[in-house]
Amino acid sequence: NAGVMQNPRHLVRRRGQEARLRCSPMKGHSHVYWYRQLPEEGLKFMVYLQKENIIDESGMPKERFSAEFPKEGPSILRIQQVVRGDSAAYFCASSPIVTSLNEQFFGPGTRLTVL
Amino acid sequence: KQEVTQIPAALSVPEGENLVLNCSFTDSAIYNLQWFRQDPGKGLTSLLLIQSSQREQTSGRLNASLDKSSGRSTLYIAASQPGDSATYLCAVAMEYGNKLVFGAGTILRVKS
Repeated sequence: NAGVMQNPRHLVRRRGQEARLRCSPMKGHSHVYWYRQLPEEGLKFMVYLQKENIIDESGMPKERFSAEFPKEGPSILRIQQVVRGDSAAYFCASSPIVTSLNEQFFGPGTRLTVL
Repeated sequence: KQEVTQIPAALSVPEGENLVLNCSFTDSAIYNLQWFRQDPGKGLTSLLLIQSSQREQTSGRLNASLDKSSGRSTLYIAASQPGDSATYLCAVAMEYGNKLVFGAGTILRVKS
C-alpha cells in the first residue's frame, strides 16, 4: 500500500504565477488535510476535504488560495498570483473513512519557492 | 483556541542516554494526540497515537504518556541513538476528523 504521494516535490515560481500542488491519499482514504510549514515556524492547518466537499477551510488565507478534492483524481491546492511570503513546505495528510483512530498519514511535502 | 507547547525547543544528548520530551496543551477536550518525527527537508513520520481514553502507548524504544486532565504528554526515548536525531512534533486533534494543532517541535541531536 503506497503512502501519501505529493507532487511536485519542489516547485519554483516567479511572483504573480500560479502554483498547483497535488496530493494522492493512501488507498482507501477519503479524508485529506493540507498543512503549511513556513520557514522557522510550526505546521499550520489550512483545509480539510472529503471527496467533492470542503469540510473545514478555517486555515486558508482568504484570497488567492483554493483547494479541491474531486471524485476522481488527486486533491489540488492552488495558489494564484504567488508572492514571496507563500514560500513554504506544503504537506498533505490523509486518513481513512471508517476508523475511530483519526490517525493522519503525511506525504513528503511540496517545497514551494517564490522568486 | 487550542495551543500546543513543546519543551525543550532543542536538546543535545550523548548516545545511550534516556530522554523525555514534553508537550502541553491548553484545552483538555482532545480527541487524540500524535507524536511525529520530521527529518530535515522531509515529511512527517507518525510515531505514536494516543486516544483520549488511553494513558500511554509504546513502540519499541518509544513510550508516550498522556495526562489529559492536566494537559500534558511526554515522549520517552530509551537508549538514544544517533539515528534518533530529528525534530519531534506533538499534535492534538480536538474531535474526530478534525485538524491537528501542532507544537513547534523539539530538535533532538544524539551525539555518537
